[in-house]
Amino acid sequence: TQLLEQSPQFLSIQEGENLTVYCNSSSVFSSLQWYRQEPGEGPVLLVTVVTGGEVKKLKRLTFQFGDARKDSSLHITAAQTGDTGLYLCAGAYRSNDYKLSFGAGTTVTVRA
Amino acid sequence: ETGVTQSPTHLIKTRGQQVTLRCSSQSGHNTVSWYQQALGQGPQFIFQYYREEENGRGNFPPRFSGLQFPNYSSELNVNALELDDSALYLCASSLGGVAGELFFGEGSRLTVL
Repeated sequence: TQLLEQSPQFLSIQEGENLTVYCNSSSVFSSLQWYRQEPGEGPVLLVTVVTGGEVKKLKRLTFQFGDARKDSSLHITAAQTGDTGLYLCAGAYRSNDYKLSFGAGTTVTVRA
Repeated sequence: ETGVTQSPTHLIKTRGQQVTLRCSSQSGHNTVSWYQQALGQGPQFIFQYYREEENGRGNFPPRFSGLQFPNYSSELNVNALELDDSALYLCASSLGGVAGELFFGEGSRLTVL
């Protein structure tokens, strides 16, 4: 059972378009992370957000943590084919939590 | 800096058999977590080892066991394999016995026939 709900499940866009993926939960998280996973690889950490309302930018990627720390979004501007992959959000309930709870992921395909 | 390495990368077993998966943590990291990722799903936490002790466990049966060695490398053992154990098994290293920022290996793809 995935406690973090990600939407949409699949997203296919043309290169140059923008996209947003969402991560929602009924639980409050101490911190939330976003990972990208490519086929045959393990997930790679993109960002960690810890403060409600926090916005972080990583080049063309913008991450936002909801004010109540229950949800997050990832926005990609002018998507490139290299952005193709499975985007996973993962949350820790406490600052010293030993595990992360992952969502099922959003599969993003950027077409040339 | 050496990243997280896992072996084997792929393996096929039959129901009832046993399997051992291995993981070398990133240099300087003392914590190893194991996750199971079924097809189309996100990773599910199996357990974590910190300073050679199990530091936390997810909702997996006792036939899933592990250990951590003094050099912080780790093994995941699964006994009495079932078809539903077919998945990608991911090892992640971190610091200090907390999830923190995880550095994952490429995973071991297990197929149970």
